[in-house]
Amino acid sequence: DAKTTQPPSMDCAEGRAANLPCNHSTISGNEYVYWYRQIHSQGPQYIIHGLKNNETNEMASLIITEDRKSSTLILPHATLRDTAVYYCIVRALNFGNEKLTFGTGTRLTIIP
Amino acid sequence: DADVTQTPRNRITKTGKRIMLECSQTKGHDRMYWYRQDPGLGLRLIYYSFDVKDINKGEISDGYSVSRQAQAKFSLSLESAIPNQTALYFCATSDFTSVRQETQYFGPGTRLLVL
Repeated sequence: DAKTTQPPSMDCAEGRAANLPCNHSTISGNEYVYWYRQIHSQGPQYIIHGLKNNETNEMASLIITEDRKSSTLILPHATLRDTAVYYCIVRALNFGNEKLTFGTGTRLTIIP
Repeated sequence: DADVTQTPRNRITKTGKRIMLECSQTKGHDRMYWYRQDPGLGLRLIYYSFDVKDINKGEISDGYSVSRQAQAKFSLSLESAIPNQTALYFCATSDFTSVRQETQYFGPGTRLLVL
């Protein structure tokens, strides 16, 4: 799987949009971009994933650049409960690639 | 996610003891996984199972064994616990209905301390 690079930490004011960047310049054509988050040693929580097109669900939006070398996770109206470590993962969905490789992620702190 | 439960949530044991961590899920997923998390190292895959008759080693299976008793249950055993197995252990399930849609759902974790 391609490696990802994320800033180690970010702050965001409560109620504002939180934009978390991720670089994955070596991504291959069959690799998806996944985002998970982990709130204070709880089990990681799936947020969203995409291949080429931008994606949106009830939790967040995922913007993938046209060259697919980077992406941004957007939490539209951050709340204090969004304080967590956010992991960007690049993964090919094929047999023999069952594990999720979590890097060090971005520690997002929502400021009241 | 309450659909994936792990017991116990916390455990302290001594070196050389055999212990079992249990995972149950009500999501109806065929695939189940065991990970461990150490500070600064992210999550590492220990074992995974695609169905009741399928067990596969992950990247750090030495010192561990698993049992898939049923679709809903996947247990992790430490045959003879050692201090460097002190970690946070997560069970996960996945809904591999299609290659485009797989996501993994994690349990709340078991914090294990080996003295």
